[in-house]
Amino acid sequence: DQQVKQNSPSLSVQEGRISILNCDYTNSMFDYFLWYKKYPAEGPTFLISISSIKDKNEDGRFTVFLNKSAKHLSLHIVPSQPGDSAVYFCAARGGADGLTFGKGTHLIIQP
Amino acid sequence: ETGVTQTPRHLVMGMTNKKSLKCEQHLGHNAMYWYKQSAKKPLELMFVYSLEERVENNSVPSRFSPECPNSSHLFLHLHTLQPEDSALYLCASSQERGLDYGYTFGSGTRLTVV
Repeated sequence: DQQVKQNSPSLSVQEGRISILNCDYTNSMFDYFLWYKKYPAEGPTFLISISSIKDKNEDGRFTVFLNKSAKHLSLHIVPSQPGDSAVYFCAARGGADGLTFGKGTHLIIQP
Repeated sequence: ETGVTQTPRHLVMGMTNKKSLKCEQHLGHNAMYWYKQSAKKPLELMFVYSLEERVENNSVPSRFSPECPNSSHLFLHLHTLQPEDSALYLCASSQERGLDYGYTFGSGTRLTVV
């Protein structure tokens, strides 16, 4: 049973617009959430994170929102740029052993 | 350069072969991980080592055998694999097991079992 779900396998957004990537989770014990970005033939790279005691964290063009009551988080990228085209993984931590990842969403930024 | 180096980048092996994947990190981290990424599936945690101590993961078949000789090196020994084991195997490291640090991933080894 998937504890971290990214229900959109792909998302296409026009350059300059806002990209919104969504992630849902089922385990209420998760206390820390992360977003990773992955280019082809490379490993995932850390992008931004948020603790469960916060509802928003912003870093430049990237903002992560957390809605604990809905067990939902989202990553906003604005403005979207061609270099943002990649697969984005949502991950959650609920204990001491490793992270639980979603399947990823392939973001495509169109010129 | 991510600081986590995995070799080889690509590996094709037969079901009767024995091979090893290698991971090396130069970040001073003391926790290392093996993840498996199969097509259309989430990244799956296989093994965790913290301070060279292994955390058991009973869901991983015994044909996968990890080894962590020191805090900078991690191996995944493979033997008698199945075609369904073909996947991208990713190594990651972090400062400490379970703390609020993003993991640093290697580029992965693309494994094909024939």
